Amino acid sequence: KNQVEQSPQSLIILEGKNCTLQCNYTVSPFSNLRWYKQDTGRGPVSLTIMTFSENTKSNGRYTATLDADTKQSSLHITASQLSDSASYICVVTYNYGQNFVFGPGTRLSVLP
Amino acid sequence: DTEVTQTPKHLVMGMTNKKSLKCEQHMGHRAMYWYKQKAKKPPELMFVYSYEKLSINESVPSRFSPECPNSSLLNLHLHALQPEDSALYLCASSRGQGAPGANVLTFGAGSRLTVL
Repeated sequence: KNQVEQSPQSLIILEGKNCTLQCNYTVSPFSNLRWYKQDTGRGPVSLTIMTFSENTKSNGRYTATLDADTKQSSLHITASQLSDSASYICVVTYNYGQNFVFGPGTRLSVLP
Repeated sequence: DTEVTQTPKHLVMGMTNKKSLKCEQHMGHRAMYWYKQKAKKPPELMFVYSYEKLSINESVPSRFSPECPNSSLLNLHLHALQPEDSALYLCASSRGQGAPGANVLTFGAGSRLTVL
């Protein structure tokens, strides 16, 4: 079954701290993986996109990794800010780009 | 222009009303999507239009009626909705099957629907 799992379900950290979110997938054949940030009541906004040949990609304080062998991805947030409080959703594209499967998301709360 | 624009941002309607949600993109994407999202849940796929033809209908009740007038526009017509239909409705677009480049979703900001 094509599935995406994310952990932890929720996370609370203090402002300035780093954190890492995990995404495991079982979809096949894999096309790409994208991390989205979603503020409450708003649409998801893309952070990074990872294709099969990419291991690491950075976007400011966000760094995503991909291990296509173990089918795992992580999103590392450095020096967290209050505005990082949001849900982070991992979306995997598969079946030669025809289909998408969503993870359940990780709810991040950054406290002052 | 790399945006997907949704209107209205907020909509309150009664169960007997007829209203529409609108979505527009000018990225040349040939696939457009409607998703429904309840609080603290991931988006759930409702409809997919590929090259202006309805390609996926995820067993959505007939009180939701999609329409794709052209490759840039996507509407969702609402009629006789129930209170449990209250949710955030997200429109998304992607390059589409067979198009060069990675096929990834670009989302709009969403339309918050409340059914009284």
